[in-house]
Amino acid sequence: QLQLVESGGGVVQPGKSLRLSCTAFGFIFTNSAMHWVRQAPGKGLEWVALVSLDGTKQYYGDSVKGRFTVTRDNSKSTVNLQMNSLRPEDTAVYYCAREWEAGSFHYWGQGTLVTVSS
Amino acid sequence: QSVLTQPPSVSGTPGQRVIISCSGSYSNIGTNTVNWYQQVPGRAPKLLVYGYHQRPSGVPDRFSGSNSATSASLAISGLQSEDEADYYCAAWDGSLNAVVFGGGTKVTVL
Repeated sequence: QLQLVESGGGVVQPGKSLRLSCTAFGFIFTNSAMHWVRQAPGKGLEWVALVSLDGTKQYYGDSVKGRFTVTRDNSKSTVNLQMNSLRPEDTAVYYCAREWEAGSFHYWGQGTLVTVSS
Repeated sequence: QSVLTQPPSVSGTPGQRVIISCSGSYSNIGTNTVNWYQQVPGRAPKLLVYGYHQRPSGVPDRFSGSNSATSASLAISGLQSEDEADYYCAAWDGSLNAVVFGGGTKVTVL
């Protein structure tokens, strides 16, 4: 069964770092680009980052550029999001998503909550 | 301020048809496909329509997508109570090299 499972969320102080992971099950991981999307409490969806099939290309949303790094380990079917210099406005549920047809996100993880607070 | 513009809310009575608009520009909707997502509070988003008008398996044909130039729309026909949710449009933006989302539209069934 196709599944994406995120981990690594929690409470962190402003300026600190946190690393999220997303492990994929049930599909050929190397066939899919992977994305991170977040949703602040009570707000809409915000795209965060994209990593290509082989991990050589990364793209980021403006609000996280220079602070977040997305990587993937195809041998472990995982995609990671290294978040540095965290700010209170980074507080959100973070979802990983598998890119499908026409650039859509057909499969999503359950989300992991990141809270940035002193 | 979202790159793609959606109305904050739409409402309708059961059985009605409602339409959610999504306005963008040449660099996103004008040159790339639009995808639509449904999100019930507390749950992960669900893909409703991809490639402007295609539906994944299991999505009722009450949901239909269309597009014109730099705008797209999602129509929900035969509105049902379980359609109460937030709906988002999204597309790749070639100028930003980023996926852009609309701000979301809350659908209320009266």
